[in-house]
Amino acid sequence: QKEVEQNSGPLSVPEGAIASLNCTYSDRGSQSFFWYRQYSGKSPELIMSIYSNGDKEDGRFTAQLNKASQYVSLLIRDSQPSDSATYLCAVRGTSGSRLTFGEGTQLTVNP
Amino acid sequence: DVKVTQSSRYLVKRTGEKVFLECVQDMDHENMFWYRQDPGLGLRLIYFSYDVKMKEKGDIPEGYSVSREKKERFSLILESASTNQTSMYLCASSFQGHYGYTFGSGTRLTVV
Repeated sequence: QKEVEQNSGPLSVPEGAIASLNCTYSDRGSQSFFWYRQYSGKSPELIMSIYSNGDKEDGRFTAQLNKASQYVSLLIRDSQPSDSATYLCAVRGTSGSRLTFGEGTQLTVNP
Repeated sequence: DVKVTQSSRYLVKRTGEKVFLECVQDMDHENMFWYRQDPGLGLRLIYFSYDVKMKEKGDIPEGYSVSREKKERFSLILESASTNQTSMYLCASSFQGHYGYTFGSGTRLTVV
């Protein structure tokens, strides 16, 4: 079992729709969770962090965390073509400051 | 604006060369990391450092070494470059604790 798994892509949504990206993790003691956006040929950029169960909203982005289910998700409302990118889920487990990354989900928003 | 700066955006090296990839951060971060990213394999941790002169092996340290003589600088060294080390190399840094990383812009290394 991979330590961090993301829903397989690619994911394609029409402009204006809600894009839903999912991630599960295996280390039950994990405390910190992050979503990165990576445009093609660029480096990852941190867009959301979440530490407590529940929802955290930032503009059009909402991160959701359920530690009991070991599940974290990212919702993008009113998706725009500029949201087309690969989204990486990252988890900090119990072994220090290093993050473990999922392989990413490629999102395409069609005009 | 906080920054992690990688010295080269693109590099082409020959097999057997010793290669140095430099990373400098201006955020006074304690932690620094080197990853490589390959299609279908995601981000894989090569080495990381929690403090000056300290280093820890990541998941794929073979063929690499690192140096951290100053807090702001973390260097990745390919002792004898091989074609299977052709990849995108990403440096990142963070504060100690429950913080995310800030990544540099990456170095795309091609070994021929």
